[in-house]
Amino acid sequence: QKEVEQNSGPLSVPEGAIASLNCTYSDRGSQSFFWYRQYSGKSPELIMSIYSNGDKEDGRFTAQLNKASQYVSLLIRDSQPSDSATYLCAVTIPLYRGSTLGRLYFGRGTQLTVWP
Amino acid sequence: AAGVIQSPRHLIKEKRETATLKCYPIPRHDTVYWYQQGPGQDPQFLISFYEKMQSDKGSIPDRFSAQQFSDYHSELNMSSLELGDSALYFCASSRQVRGRTDTQYFGPGTRLTVL
Repeated sequence: QKEVEQNSGPLSVPEGAIASLNCTYSDRGSQSFFWYRQYSGKSPELIMSIYSNGDKEDGRFTAQLNKASQYVSLLIRDSQPSDSATYLCAVTIPLYRGSTLGRLYFGRGTQLTVWP
Repeated sequence: AAGVIQSPRHLIKEKRETATLKCYPIPRHDTVYWYQQGPGQDPQFLISFYEKMQSDKGSIPDRFSAQQFSDYHSELNMSSLELGDSALYFCASSRQVRGRTDTQYFGPGTRLTVL
């Protein structure tokens, strides 16, 4: 079982709609949670980070974290064609107790298409 | 703002050749991570360095080695290249912040093709 599971999609929404992306993780020691956007052949671009339970909003993006359910989500409001990309959910688990170092564990990504 | 720099951006090698990938982290970042991404796959962690010391090791073949230098740049050395090594190689850098695990910022990547 992968550390991080994402709804595989692909997800297709019309321009202006809300896109909802979901992710679950298996290790309760996971400490930091990220959403990266990746265009084909390009590098992952950080769009949201979240560390505590609840919602975090940044412009059109809202990340939600529920540690009890081991669940992370990303909402994209007013979706634009330029949002069309693969969205990678990632978590870090501290290398050891108290460490700030931690490799990223990625989900397989959700491919989002926003059509005009 | 300055970003992570990787070179070369594209590299074509023959089987059994060697390759060296370079990574220059964001200024004042002290940690470098290397990831490999095959076609249609998510990035897989290879190795990381903090303050010039290896901090963690993932699924990195014994044919690969890496180090971080005094100026914090890092190099990934790949020998006896195989067809299966063809992939995107990303470097990510971070700065350690007390209280939580770090946030990693990715470079543009090096596309390695082994023929």
